[in-house]
Amino acid sequence: KNQVEQSPQSLIILEGKNCTLQCNYTVSPFSNLRWYKQDTGRGPVSLTIMTFSENTKSNGRYTATLDADTKQSSLHITASQLSDSASYICVVSAKTSYDKVIFGPGTSLSVIP
Amino acid sequence: ETGVTQTPRHLVMGMTNKKSLKCEQHLGHNAMYWYKQSAKKPLELMFVYSLEERVENNSVPSRFSPECPNSSHLFLHLHTLQPEDSALYLCASSPGRPSYNSPLHFGNGTRLTVT
Repeated sequence: KNQVEQSPQSLIILEGKNCTLQCNYTVSPFSNLRWYKQDTGRGPVSLTIMTFSENTKSNGRYTATLDADTKQSSLHITASQLSDSASYICVVSAKTSYDKVIFGPGTSLSVIP
Repeated sequence: ETGVTQTPRHLVMGMTNKKSLKCEQHLGHNAMYWYKQSAKKPLELMFVYSLEERVENNSVPSRFSPECPNSSHLFLHLHTLQPEDSALYLCASSPGRPSYNSPLHFGNGTRLTVT
């Protein structure tokens, strides 16, 4: 069964600190993996996308990694800011005639002063 | 501004009411989607339209009825809903069916409360 799991469910960190969010998946055949950021009261917005051959992808203070062998991904946030408070959703696509998109439950991150 | 506009942002309705959610995309995309987002659960795909034709319907109860009159507009008609239907309803669009180069673009959702 295609499934995406994320940990932790929620996280609180101090402003300026770093943090890492985890994503494990059992999706086959694998097409790509995206991380989305969803601010409260907003729709999700894509942060990064990686395919099988990509191990690392950065977008400003966000760095995503992918280990296709262990089927794990992480999202590392450096020097966190208050505006990083949001839900971070890992989304894995299975390759069919088009991408079948499977969403994780998200990690809720709160950055406090 | 996301390019995908949903109205209303908030909706409270009784179980006997009939209401409609509206989604409009200004991105020239050919595919549109309805998702349901409940607290602490993954987004659930409800319906997919590609070039105005419904191509996916994920066992959604008949009290939810989608309509796609053209490639820019998508509606979700609601009637005789249940309290467990309370959730955030997200509309999304993409250039074609999802792929590496065709990500989903989401609206900001309609927060629905059924009383």
